[in-house]
Amino acid sequence: GESVGLHLPTLSVQEGDNSIINCAYSNSASDYFIWYKQESGKGPQFIIDIRSNMDKRQGQRVTVLLNKTVKHLSLQIAATQPGDSAVYFCAENTAQNSGAGSYQLTFGKGTKLSVIP
Amino acid sequence: EAGVTQFPSHSVIEKGQTVTLRCDPISGHDNLYWYRRVMGKEIKFLLHFVKESKQDESGMPNNRFLAERTGGTYSTLKVQPAELEDSGVYFCASSQSLAGLHEQYFGPGTRLTVT
Repeated sequence: GESVGLHLPTLSVQEGDNSIINCAYSNSASDYFIWYKQESGKGPQFIIDIRSNMDKRQGQRVTVLLNKTVKHLSLQIAATQPGDSAVYFCAENTAQNSGAGSYQLTFGKGTKLSVIP
Repeated sequence: EAGVTQFPSHSVIEKGQTVTLRCDPISGHDNLYWYRRVMGKEIKFLLHFVKESKQDESGMPNNRFLAERTGGTYSTLKVQPAELEDSGVYFCASSQSLAGLHEQYFGPGTRLTVT
């Protein structure tokens, strides 16, 4: 079946640099995307979401970019800090599901971000 | 505001035994979800409650899994009898009551180990 996946399983960045985490999705019907951060021993923590009628959305130090043409999603973290070290997941929902009242999310495998002090 | 809570944080049981996991969503959230992550795999959807009703249970793996949400508040997920492949982390999430998609807030998870 169609699923959300990640290009890179691990990413190491220097403290203060910008981080870019990528995600490819295969379901062209997906219309809602979320980035989650998961620290060791904790559940996924919501970072930012974006709907398919947008191509960019900004939060505090984070930006999500959506390219529907190539079915690609990215999370940019500005001035990466040691506290940003975690596993990052992208997740999606399809209009077909949500229209039927199903809000199930499909998750990618995750990218581990390590920040080097 | 308290977040999503789950109990227990960790459970170790033998194959064939029964385990019940509990989730308390954020107060006022009508939507409650169960997900799980088995070793080496992605987080997978199990089911979605709207209040006390099962809106979508397409992710439930088999009839050994039973989820309930009596009264539309907390939810339980029972595995009976447990099998080795049920080991993993079980997450609960909740989202606000408005129609449409909104961010889902996750609990810390229950780590289930079946030996």
